[in-house]
Amino acid sequence: SQQGEEDPQALSIQEGENATMNCSYKTSINNLQWYRQNSGRGLVHLILIRSNEREKHSGRLRVTLDTSKKSSSLLITASRAADTASYFCATVITGANNLFFGTGTRLTVIP
Amino acid sequence: ETGVTQSPTHLIKTRGQQVTLRCSSQSGHNTVSWYQQALGQGPQFIFQYYREEENGRGNFPPRFSGLQFPNYSSELNVNALELDDSALYLCASRFDTVTDTQYFGPGTRLTVL
Repeated sequence: SQQGEEDPQALSIQEGENATMNCSYKTSINNLQWYRQNSGRGLVHLILIRSNEREKHSGRLRVTLDTSKKSSSLLITASRAADTASYFCATVITGANNLFFGTGTRLTVIP
Repeated sequence: ETGVTQSPTHLIKTRGQQVTLRCSSQSGHNTVSWYQQALGQGPQFIFQYYREEENGRGNFPPRFSGLQFPNYSSELNVNALELDDSALYLCASRFDTVTDTQYFGPGTRLTVL
């Protein structure tokens, strides 16, 4: 079964707007990662946040982590048409070293 | 480009057949993981190989098996194919089992008829 659940399942915004995606998970984690997938192809690693971190930035990306609520959010600022893709959160749970993926959010950025 | 390659890109098989998928890891990476991604779902962990030994497995039956070679390339073998095996199969490599970031290949799309 999936470790995480993303919300919303689909998101459509205008270019230049911000996009926020949320992820919830079930068990204690070592870290949480966000990946992007274009058109059902390979996954691209975007950003990693460790369980002792609360916020992290990378370019136009901002990730937050709330371990008390077992949730994370990914914010993409000033979105571009090229950001159109599916976004997945993936957790590395305590005691394991493989990734548990969520169900994904399909983001469409309209030019 | 992650430096991880997979072959073939697409594959069509019939139920009951066997299939072998291949993955070439990024240079210097000795750990490879395989994931199955059904349409509209997130990837699910199949198993992981570290220095030619399986060292982790997800909830997949024994007809899913793998190999890792001395050059750290890898194979995923699936026997007695079922319709539900239709999916995108992804491999991911990393420097070792404790390295957090994994690098994914483009995937092999398997269709079972």
